[in-house]
Amino acid sequence: QKEVEQNSGPLSVPEGAIASLNCTYSDRGSQSFFWYRQYSGKSPELIMFIYSNGDKEDGRFTAQLNKASQYVSLLIRDSQPSDSATYLCAVNDGRGSYIPTFGRGTSLIVHP
Amino acid sequence: DAGVIQSPRHEVTEMGQEVTLRCKPISGHDYLFWYRQTMMRGLELLIYFNNNVPIDDSGMPEDRFSAKMPNASFSTLKIQPSEPRDSAVYFCASSFGVDQPQHFGDGTRLSIL
Repeated sequence: QKEVEQNSGPLSVPEGAIASLNCTYSDRGSQSFFWYRQYSGKSPELIMFIYSNGDKEDGRFTAQLNKASQYVSLLIRDSQPSDSATYLCAVNDGRGSYIPTFGRGTSLIVHP
Repeated sequence: DAGVIQSPRHEVTEMGQEVTLRCKPISGHDYLFWYRQTMMRGLELLIYFNNNVPIDDSGMPEDRFSAKMPNASFSTLKIQPSEPRDSAVYFCASSFGVDQPQHFGDGTRLSIL
């Protein structure tokens, strides 16, 4: 059973701070990693994806991947109240079907 | 592009009735996924298709659930007979490749009374 673990939260940060969301996974062969944002009552939408070890930056978002330690994280700089949502981590099956397994998500609250 | 289109957005029906959920993927996407999301279990993959062919239906909870993809632009998920425990939000998603980012539809919020 391939596992993708996330702290359910809520993670509460003040506006303007850095929010750090973490995700660990069990399948060492995983090669594709995704972060989705889901607002309450809405569908998941892709924020970032990363395939290689290290950091990938896109605007206020940075994805960090460490395959040796089997974790992937998402940093949100200058957090805004509009960032308040649930963030889902998805990790692909590296040796079989390659379909992604989703974590349960971390709820982020950015308060003014 | 219009994105992934699902219908209906909401469905309320009585236990025992047949429920059909519909999905139109993004044109050119070869993969289509059906998910179910609940507070208890999170986002669960039910089945996925590649080029209209079902590849893995191991997530389909039981024989009451069936899915078809008769062509590249249409898929259905059917529940017959429906039960209250089937109440959830059902999402359809599509992608260019099996390990590529997925694009989700708005979902169908299903309530079985």
